[in-house]
Amino acid sequence: QVQLVQSGAEVKKPGASVKVSCKASGYSFSSHFMHWVRQAPGQGLEWMGIINPSVGSPGYSQKFQGRVTMTTDTSTSTVYMELTSLTSEDTAVYYCARETGSFDSWGQGTLVTVSS
Amino acid sequence: QAGLTQPPSVSKDLRQTATLTCAGNSNNVGDQGAAWLQQHQGHPPKLLSYRDNNRPSGISERFSASRSGNIASLTITGLQPEDDGDYYCSAWDSSLSVWVFGGGTKLTVL
Repeated sequence: QVQLVQSGAEVKKPGASVKVSCKASGYSFSSHFMHWVRQAPGQGLEWMGIINPSVGSPGYSQKFQGRVTMTTDTSTSTVYMELTSLTSEDTAVYYCARETGSFDSWGQGTLVTVSS
Repeated sequence: QAGLTQPPSVSKDLRQTATLTCAGNSNNVGDQGAAWLQQHQGHPPKLLSYRDNNRPSGISERFSASRSGNIASLTITGLQPEDDGDYYCSAWDSSLSVWVFGGGTKLTVL
């Protein structure tokens, strides 16, 4: 079955960067785009961007343009999301989600806490 | 980024029917339809339907989605205790080139 397994929780200081991974299994990795979505504590969902794993071409929400980088490693079926210049406003659970018409399978989420 | 509009909360009795709404515009909901996701506390969201009324395998027929113009709806029949949770709608916005979400509706099954 489809599984998306994300890296563990991170604690970062303001101004730092974080890189979250999402390892896919149970399907053809290159055949499905991957989204990144985040959710601040007690808040709703926010789309960050999407990447085509087969060619590595990303599309980012303008809100994160310049601060986010999404990459893929087809040899390990893993996608990565790096966010730089972190502030307390970036404290959230970050999810990867496979695209099949919509967000059909989700990772378990990675809590990123930004605190001095 | 502009989002979709959902009522913050809905309460219904066990075994009753709940209809959740999601208002967008002609660039998002009115263009390619909406997806609906369910989220329980501490868990990732789960896709219930996409592009109006396409249900992924394994999703109960008690969940049905529809759309009228720029407003999408999710109807849940025969409410069960496990239906208690947060429900989000989402759509691709062709004008903003982003996926937009509603703020979520907290469904309470009494």
